Amino acid sequence: DIQMTQSPSTLSASVGDRVTIACRASQSLNAWLAWYQQKPGKAPKLLIYKASTLESGVPSRFSGSGSGTEFTLTISSLQPDDFATYYCQQYNNYPLTFGGGTKVDIK
Amino acid sequence: QVKLVQSGAEVEKPGASVKLSCKASGYSFTGYYLHWVRQAPGQGLEWMGWINPYSGGTTYAQKFQGRVTMTSDTSISTAYMELSRLRSDDTAVYYCARDGEQWSPTPGEFDYWGPGTLVTVSS
Repeated sequence: DIQMTQSPSTLSASVGDRVTIACRASQSLNAWLAWYQQKPGKAPKLLIYKASTLESGVPSRFSGSGSGTEFTLTISSLQPDDFATYYCQQYNNYPLTFGGGTKVDIK
Repeated sequence: QVKLVQSGAEVEKPGASVKLSCKASGYSFTGYYLHWVRQAPGQGLEWMGWINPYSGGTTYAQKFQGRVTMTSDTSISTAYMELSRLRSDDTAVYYCARDGEQWSPTPGEFDYWGPGTLVTVSS
């Protein structure tokens, strides 16, 4: 199975901060990677797919980059609605696997 | 608009089976694969498998092979996931999610999710 490692596991930030979350895969994914945002008690929401493609309706402050085994989700200017947990997910190989999550909380 | 409506919470005893449903609307049900993902309390996300609603073809995560069965009823645009021989560590919220790539035989991102069904396994 492909192991997905996210860092950090928790991130404390303030509104307006630039935030970066890293995701490393145990083997190459090409660009078959997605990012999701999840708020407590809610289903995950797709933000980015194919490593860098912004899902329709997602604010442009979210961006994704990377290929191979190293990927990054960046929030250019953190907004109050962005405090949540973020997951990366690979869909290059079965079984599809998720990172352990990064919780972004208020500093 | 695309909507996935899931069945209500379940409480089951160890060893029992549970069958969850996921009713789709707002798009061509047979055109997109459906995934099942679970999340134990306070934990991360775990992919269980997916189904091609048109053909009924499935791919399961090896971890669940032999215990999970995914089916679909195209007449009512509903997918089902049955998990048998339940254990306490199967307690989780179970989500169905639509694959983002129409007619694709390889998995893509999950673009729409149901609200989830809480399954509690307890004696």
